[in-house]
Amino acid sequence: AQSVTQPDIHITVSEGASLELRCNYSYGATPYLFWYVQSPGQGLQLLLKYFSGDTLVQGIKGFEAEFKRSQSSFNLRKPSVHWSDAAEYFCAVIGGYGQNFVFGPGTRLSVLP
Amino acid sequence: GAGVSQSPRYKVAKRGQDVALRCDPISGHVSLFWYQQALGQGPEFLTYFQNEAQLDKSGLPSDRFFAERPEGSVSTLKIQRTQQEDSAVYLCASSSPLGYQETQYFGPGTRLLVL
Repeated sequence: AQSVTQPDIHITVSEGASLELRCNYSYGATPYLFWYVQSPGQGLQLLLKYFSGDTLVQGIKGFEAEFKRSQSSFNLRKPSVHWSDAAEYFCAVIGGYGQNFVFGPGTRLSVLP
Repeated sequence: GAGVSQSPRYKVAKRGQDVALRCDPISGHVSLFWYQQALGQGPEFLTYFQNEAQLDKSGLPSDRFFAERPEGSVSTLKIQRTQQEDSAVYLCASSSPLGYQETQYFGPGTRLLVL
């Protein structure tokens, strides 16, 4: 069965610092990978997705992610964090019949002024 | 509106009550998904519709949960005889056209609290 792990439950960074959120997946075939962000009381917003091709994917709000098949990872990065980036971040993989997502448990990002 | 909408946004129910949660997908979207998100956890798949057909309901936690999409657009998730463990945010998502590659667009969710 497909699974997604996000090893960091909570990360705190200072505004302007760089950020990397880790995601590891378990999937038998070529994965389709996503990062979503969820602000308090809000729905999930897509940051970026990987289906094939270039393993470095650019997303919205200055985020990028790199797919590394050898490490089964799809880590999310941002060179300079803004206070408005404080939110919950979810990594997800398409899995199972019916194209439903399998989500990781999420990483909560706090940003210090 | 252009996005997925859900109603009500908040629902408080007494244990044993029945509740109905509504999802309005993006117009024309063929696929519709329901997810349950418990506090502090990632969303978990409940069920999937392709037009009016419910193709996968493997994630429904019990026979108290029932979903329908009779005309292939609006969907309703019904929970009968609610229990405290049903307290969660229920998310709806839609996508189109068919295919694994399509992005799912999520609604804001319905936060259900069962007392």
